[in-house]
Amino acid sequence: ILNVEQSPQSLHVQEGDSTNFTCSFPSSNFYALHWYRWETAKSPEALFVMTLNGDEKKKGRISATLNTKEGYSYLYIKGSQPEDSATYLCAFREVAAGNKLTFGGGTRVLVKP
Amino acid sequence: GAGVSQSPSNKVTEKGKDVELRCDPISGHTALYWYRQSLGQGLEFLIYFQGNSAPDKSGLPSDRFSAERTGGSVSTLTIQRTQQEDSAVYLCASSQIGTGGGLNEKLFFGSGTQLSVL
Repeated sequence: ILNVEQSPQSLHVQEGDSTNFTCSFPSSNFYALHWYRWETAKSPEALFVMTLNGDEKKKGRISATLNTKEGYSYLYIKGSQPEDSATYLCAFREVAAGNKLTFGGGTRVLVKP
Repeated sequence: GAGVSQSPSNKVTEKGKDVELRCDPISGHTALYWYRQSLGQGLEFLIYFQGNSAPDKSGLPSDRFSAERTGGSVSTLTIQRTQQEDSAVYLCASSQIGTGGGLNEKLFFGSGTQLSVL
């Protein structure tokens, strides 16, 4: 069973503040790491697909980094806004696992106005 | 269609009954996935299809669960003799397979079926 862990499970952020949280995954047999945002009453939506050690991706105020050698990825939100409130999921794909993506438990972010 | 479509959106059933959940993926997407989220849990992998075949069924919780995909398109997840522990949100997702067979394409999710077993 693959261990994909996200921390913290939840966090409250004041509007305008920046925040970050972690996804850890096995450091061996890495193939790809995905990030998704899941807003209440909506479908999960892809943010990033990351494949190379040292990758950095950015989409608006959200960015992510990847360290495959030590098995972690950080997601950053700069200048949080209420619309950033969602559960952020990471998902790990390992070599020779075909298309299977194993998800972490998610980090629930609540941005307070 | 424009996105992944799942039906029904909500299903309430009695323990012991069979249920069928349907997923209509984005046209042209060759890979199709089923996940579920039980209350307070993360997304749990059930099964994925490449075309009409299912290379990985490892996540199906028991032999009461089965899934099929026909014509490389619509998929049906069937749960026989439902139990209360089957209550969850069942999510379907689809993706392209990139050029050269690359597997790094993002998943597009449907809005899910909320299954409640009484």
